[in-house]
Amino acid sequence: QKEVEQNSGPLSVPEGAIASLNCTYSDRGSQSFFWYRQYSGKSPELIMSIYSNGDKEDGRFTAQLNKASQYVSLLIRDSQPSDSATYLCAVTGGSYIPTFGRGTSLIVHP
Amino acid sequence: GAVVSQHPSWVICKSGTSVKIECRSLDFQATTMFWYRQFPKQSLMLMATSNEGSKATYEQGVEKDKFLINHASLTLSTLTVTSAHPEDSSFYICSARESGYEQYFGPGTRLTVT
Repeated sequence: QKEVEQNSGPLSVPEGAIASLNCTYSDRGSQSFFWYRQYSGKSPELIMSIYSNGDKEDGRFTAQLNKASQYVSLLIRDSQPSDSATYLCAVTGGSYIPTFGRGTSLIVHP
Repeated sequence: GAVVSQHPSWVICKSGTSVKIECRSLDFQATTMFWYRQFPKQSLMLMATSNEGSKATYEQGVEKDKFLINHASLTLSTLTVTSAHPEDSSFYICSARESGYEQYFGPGTRLTVT
């Protein structure tokens, strides 16, 4: 069974700090990796996708993928209180049906 | 781009009635649409996957006769909760993909069954 593991948190960081969110997955054949942000009471919003080993940067967000270690992470630089949300890691293999992690709750305090 | 809408955003219905939720991709043609359910403080649970013009594929444990899914066109999928009961009260979210692996979520529909 394909599994995606995330620490449920909460991860608490001060405003302006770097928040580091981690995700591991069990299916070595996984090909596509996504990070979604979900505010309380709202639906998930896609913020990053990554398909190959290494780093991918988009504004304050950096996704890092290490397929050998089956590990994907999301770094948020200059964290803001508005970044406080649950971050979901999603992984797809040969099919387009993703497996979601349970999410990590991030709290950015002023 | 990649906007998905859902209607209604919230609905209250009486036990035993049916409720239909619409999911539309507004600026792209959705090859596949997905329906999820999420209970408070819990993770997303995939209910079913549907492709335009074909029958939906339901996840294990999801009653296909209770949760009717129709993917009538490349921009519209509907979920009908039949004979709803209070335990069906939840946050129902659809998502859609075009040709790649990225999914875009609708804003969700909050269903309350009284």
